[in-house]
Amino acid sequence: GAVVSQHPSRVICKSGTSVKIECRSLDFQATTMFWYRQFPKQSLMLMATSNEGSKATYEQGVEKDKFLINHASLTLSTLTVTSAHPEDSSFYICSARREDTQYFGPGTRLTVL
Amino acid sequence: QQQVKQSPQSLIVQKGGIPIINCAYENTAFDYFPWYQQFPGKGPALLIAIRPDVSEKKEGRFTISFNKSAKQFSLHIMDSQPGDSATYFCAASYNAGNMLTFGGGTRLMVKP
Repeated sequence: GAVVSQHPSRVICKSGTSVKIECRSLDFQATTMFWYRQFPKQSLMLMATSNEGSKATYEQGVEKDKFLINHASLTLSTLTVTSAHPEDSSFYICSARREDTQYFGPGTRLTVL
Repeated sequence: QQQVKQSPQSLIVQKGGIPIINCAYENTAFDYFPWYQQFPGKGPALLIAIRPDVSEKKEGRFTISFNKSAKQFSLHIMDSQPGDSATYFCAASYNAGNMLTFGGGTRLMVKP
């Protein structure tokens, strides 16, 4: 199967700091990765589509300057939450596209104090 | 994003029962319909997916029924087990592998 990892699994930070979340496809190359956000007991909301070697495409309402996405290689995409605030606390999940299927990572729980 | 409506929001069945989760979509351009299972604190895992050229697909205990004219599809879990207790999401996309639009999720509890 296709394995996608995320690091860290949990992070707690102070308000105003920046946090970087890594998403890796471990056994396949992914030209396209996606970043989702999920609030408790809610569905997944797409934040952005990340294509290797090009700028990410952000969904409406997602601040690109706050959620920086870099997809520098075929196996790694990073999401940096800049100047995090308590309202950014959420479960962030990435997925990587392999052929016609998206495989999801285990998620990163971000808590901003 | 186009909407995908999922029902019910929660569902409780006895072990061995057959929970059914329904989804409806609006965008006729959608051509790929996966179902994901998510356990608390984990990422979603692909269960089964269907394309609109077939009306039913079965993998193990999981079956998708698809009604193209009604723009609806559903997940049936045969012989449900307590280990199936999780949140299930339907989703849709055009050109499989592209951005997914998720339904609201169904929290399933299977009682022993």
